[in-house]
Amino acid sequence: SAVISQKPSRDICQRGTSLTIQCQVDSQVTMMFWYRQQPGQSLTLIATANQGSEATYESGFVIDKFPISRPNLTFSTLTVSNMSPEDSSIYLCSGVGRNYGYTFGSGTRLTVV
Amino acid sequence: AQSVAQPEDQVNVAEGNPLTVKCTYSVSGNPYLFWYVQYPNRGLQFLLKYITGDNLVKGSYGFEAEFNKSQTSFHLKKPSALVSDSALYFCAVRDSGTYKYIFGTGTRLKVLA
Repeated sequence: SAVISQKPSRDICQRGTSLTIQCQVDSQVTMMFWYRQQPGQSLTLIATANQGSEATYESGFVIDKFPISRPNLTFSTLTVSNMSPEDSSIYLCSGVGRNYGYTFGSGTRLTVV
Repeated sequence: AQSVAQPEDQVNVAEGNPLTVKCTYSVSGNPYLFWYVQYPNRGLQFLLKYITGDNLVKGSYGFEAEFNKSQTSFHLKKPSALVSDSALYFCAVRDSGTYKYIFGTGTRLKVLA
């Protein structure tokens, strides 16, 4: 399976600001996804990152709040915009590579104060 | 809609005893089932998967899972628990077409020395 490097690993941010999370894959992946894990809860899919086009968002998530880019097959970013304490979560990216191996990044632990 | 359920929020087991973490699923078509483990401040780690074939699937760290179609279950098992197995375990089902994961709510396993 591909190896995904995700950064930052953690951050503490002021409310009202934005944070961009990056994921770099060591090989081409056909699909990339972004998940959120709120404290004490399970993982929820935010969106599918589409290469060269707008991401496909799940119900309850919108582009203005979580803009996503995927300029090529190995890189994607998720921005958490105009943050509030409710955005404090772990954010994970994932990718489906050749032979359909599925890999997760190590996660970004975000705390909004 | 596809879903997975993990009925236990927490499972406690003594070191050396067998452990079981329960998961039931609801899917249309053939299920693609997975178990992941999450250690504190770490990302998700893949344990094992069932796509097709033998109902007993062996995975990492001595874990195994039994796929039971009649009971729609995919329980995670280990013959002899270690204190280091203490972590958060997620059962997941993956959509065969979109590769999106749907995660269970997670079960916290605590192995007592």
